[in-house]
Amino acid sequence: GENVEQHPSTLSVQEGDSAVIKCTYSDSASNYFPWYKQELGKRPQLIIDIRSNVGEKKDQRIAVTLNKTAKHFSLHITETQPEDSAVYFCAASNRNSGYSTLTFGKGTMLLVSP
Amino acid sequence: DTAVSQTPKYLVTQMGNDKSIKCEQNLGHDTMYWYKQDSKKFLKIMFSYNNKELIINETVPNRFSPKSPDKAHLNLHINSLELGDSAVYFCASSLGQEKFFGPGTRLTVL
Repeated sequence: GENVEQHPSTLSVQEGDSAVIKCTYSDSASNYFPWYKQELGKRPQLIIDIRSNVGEKKDQRIAVTLNKTAKHFSLHITETQPEDSAVYFCAASNRNSGYSTLTFGKGTMLLVSP
Repeated sequence: DTAVSQTPKYLVTQMGNDKSIKCEQNLGHDTMYWYKQDSKKFLKIMFSYNNKELIINETVPNRFSPKSPDKAHLNLHINSLELGDSAVYFCASSLGQEKFFGPGTRLTVL
């Protein structure tokens, strides 16, 4: 099955700095890579995703990159703000027989200090 | 509001009891899931149902039994609760690969 490794487990930055979270996956058949943000006591919410036919995707201050050859993908947050503080999860998915299984990384706790 | 909803939000119970968590989605999605999030925040798939049919059953004790009366509902029944069952349980649904999570049910077993 798929195995997703995520680093770092915690990340502290100053407001305005950039934050980068990295993930690797094991199954070369995985073709969908979402990122979820989970605030304290809340549900995981999709913030951005990328599919295997694309190398990079950007949405305002958030960008994701994917390197299929190396089987790794990264989340980049620029100009961080205190409200970016949360746990971020990467995940990998392989659509199979009409449904998809989603394997999560262990999460990165991002703390943005004002 | 279109969403994935779960009840109850909090569940505190004694070891050995049987309890159920309910999940409903009004997004018209075909597939529903149960995830368990432990104290270290690790999110792990437990079950997946597609059109009321079980398609994924990870290595979950058979004390856990999902039931899907229709496409919009996936309930989780847990027998003989143990201390290690304490966690947050998230229901989710998807049409394609994008998953939408419910608000979670925090289960505490005393």
